Amino acid sequence: EDKVVQSPLSLVVHEGDTVTLNCSYEVTNFRSLLWYKQEKKAPTFLFMLTSSGIEKKSGRLSSILDKKELFSILNITATQTGDSAIYLCAVSNTGTASKLTFGTGTRLQVTL
Amino acid sequence: DAGVIQSPRHEVTEMGQEVTLRCKPISGHNSLFWYRQTMMRGLELLIYFNNNVPIDDSGMPEDRFSAKMPNASFSTLKIQPSEPRDSAVYFCASSPTPFSGRAFRSHNEQFFGPGTRLTVL
Repeated sequence: EDKVVQSPLSLVVHEGDTVTLNCSYEVTNFRSLLWYKQEKKAPTFLFMLTSSGIEKKSGRLSSILDKKELFSILNITATQTGDSAIYLCAVSNTGTASKLTFGTGTRLQVTL
Repeated sequence: DAGVIQSPRHEVTEMGQEVTLRCKPISGHNSLFWYRQTMMRGLELLIYFNNNVPIDDSGMPEDRFSAKMPNASFSTLKIQPSEPRDSAVYFCASSPTPFSGRAFRSHNEQFFGPGTRLTVL
């Protein structure tokens, strides 16, 4: 059974800080790792990673995957209060459909 | 595109009553997923369909839960009889088939609906 573990469970930082969120996984026949951001409602897609060592960036957010050590990190620089959310990591394996296994998430709170 | 549509957005019911949650996936998406989210257990996959066929229902908690997808544009998740421990937010998500031939940002990105917050008293 695929497994995803995220750390820390929760985090409180001051605006302007840089944070690193961790995701480790165990999956049979790995296909991809995805990061989602969940504010008050539904999760919204951030990144999909399939190859080791290639950084994906979107503004102040970036993510990288290590398929040898089976983990990924999500970095947020110069945090803002709008970054407060639950960040979910998910993995998929090869198969006929896009089944994702999610971690329990990291709850990030950015304070003034 | 309107995105994934779920109804109702909120449901409050009494223990023992039947509850039906509805989902309309994004047009053209071939995979549909039902999730349940609670504080304790996070986001759990209940069941998913590919081309209207249930592929994996191992996440369905027990026989009180059932899901159907009669056509490509509609799915239901039914709980009968409901219990207080079923209280959660239920999300529906859809995804394009990986080899659909269309140019998507991610071949297996899932698009989530707004969720149904279920409270069973």
